Amino acid sequence: GEDVEQSLFLSVREGDSSVINCTYTDSSSTYLYWYKQEPGAGLQLLTYIFSNMDMKQDQRLTVLLNKKDKHLSLRIADTQTGDSAIYFCAEKGGSYIPTFGRGTSLIVHP
Amino acid sequence: DAGITQSPRHKVTETGTPVTLRCHQTENHRYMYWYRQDPGHGLRLIHYSYGVKDTDKGEVSDGYSVSRSKTEDFLLTLESATSSQTSVYFCAISGGGNTGELFFGEGSRLTVL
Repeated sequence: GEDVEQSLFLSVREGDSSVINCTYTDSSSTYLYWYKQEPGAGLQLLTYIFSNMDMKQDQRLTVLLNKKDKHLSLRIADTQTGDSAIYFCAEKGGSYIPTFGRGTSLIVHP
Repeated sequence: DAGITQSPRHKVTETGTPVTLRCHQTENHRYMYWYRQDPGHGLRLIHYSYGVKDTDKGEVSDGYSVSRSKTEDFLLTLESATSSQTSVYFCAISGGGNTGELFFGEGSRLTVL
């Protein structure tokens, strides 16, 4: 089946940039997503990118998509302690069932 | 925020007892999903629904059943709970539009002793 891989942990210092990486296998992916899960809460959509785009920027967030390598990244500029959370990469092709990665725990140190 | 309510939010039960988790939505979305979240495994799809009375299995459906008799409600039942079903369960909904984004509930923490 299709697979989405991401590293499990990332630790950064407050004020630095964070880059969370994700790779996927489905070449028919049309949408790729980043969800954020804060402690004790459900997942919330952070941003998404359509497969015909290379980059999407939204305030402190930058999403880069390399379709050739099937690589997606999320960059958070000026990372704050409030950004500490689990970040899930997900992709969706033609079906209505997205495939999620295992999540990357971002830890931000003061 | 999308109108999704999960109940109960917390439950402790004993092995062998039946358990039903409820997901209620007020968005009239067509698609509903049940996931479980466990450390090291991320999110795993249990069952999903693509309409009233239309459901199908996900990757970890053994030991679980679902029902959807109304658009707004999606029930997850553990017929005979086991300790391996201790987990946090998330309901999600989707309107199935172009972006296909999912909206998640707050989760139901189930402990099976």
